[in-house]
Amino acid sequence: GAGVSQSPSNKVTEKGKDVELRCDPISGHTALYWYRQSLGQGLEFLIYFQGNSAPDKSGLPSDRFSAERTGGSVSTLTIQRTQQEDSAVYLCASSADREPDTQYFGPGTRLTVL
Amino acid sequence: KQEVTQIPAALSVPEGENLVLNCSFTDSAIYNLQWFRQDPGKGLTSLLLIQSSQREQTSGRLNASLDKSSGRSTLYIAASQPGDSATYLCAVRPGNQFYFGTGTSLTVIP
Repeated sequence: GAGVSQSPSNKVTEKGKDVELRCDPISGHTALYWYRQSLGQGLEFLIYFQGNSAPDKSGLPSDRFSAERTGGSVSTLTIQRTQQEDSAVYLCASSADREPDTQYFGPGTRLTVL
Repeated sequence: KQEVTQIPAALSVPEGENLVLNCSFTDSAIYNLQWFRQDPGKGLTSLLLIQSSQREQTSGRLNASLDKSSGRSTLYIAASQPGDSATYLCAVRPGNQFYFGTGTSLTVIP
């Protein structure tokens, strides 16, 4: 079956612009995670959605970052007024209720802020 | 806050060697620990999951151990192959979040 997909695969933007990154999880997966992977760094947790519960936003680095998950499926991560330090690979993962520890990762979106 | 460290950051070995990757974490209050593999330009693939009550897990040539009290895990790769070349990450789960290490970049030389 189809895995987790993310779009775009690459995004180059100018400092100060807003960007939207999209994640399509595996159908039926109730949990969705966003991570950021900066050069030479590990994965940094950003936000977690579980079903219809309020999301865990504790990892978002600033109020310029926000995320939505519409209809319990597709998620969009929005970064407003991008800064050069936002340049990173943004990874999305989803998991099913029956296997909450097994995350299926998308290929990521590489964001470059000039 | 949970801190996860992986040593070494990079490792290069000739094909056929056995090798050990190390992961340490600062807070032993975890549900589980996972080892992942990441290939360039791709997402992560889970290799082994060890629940907090377990000491080790094995899958093929891979064996992962967990010593929760000391905050350590090792990933043992037997008879390494060039196809094993990738970045290996460990992650611990104390709650909703997964805390990842910075990874070990492995190169297996044919």
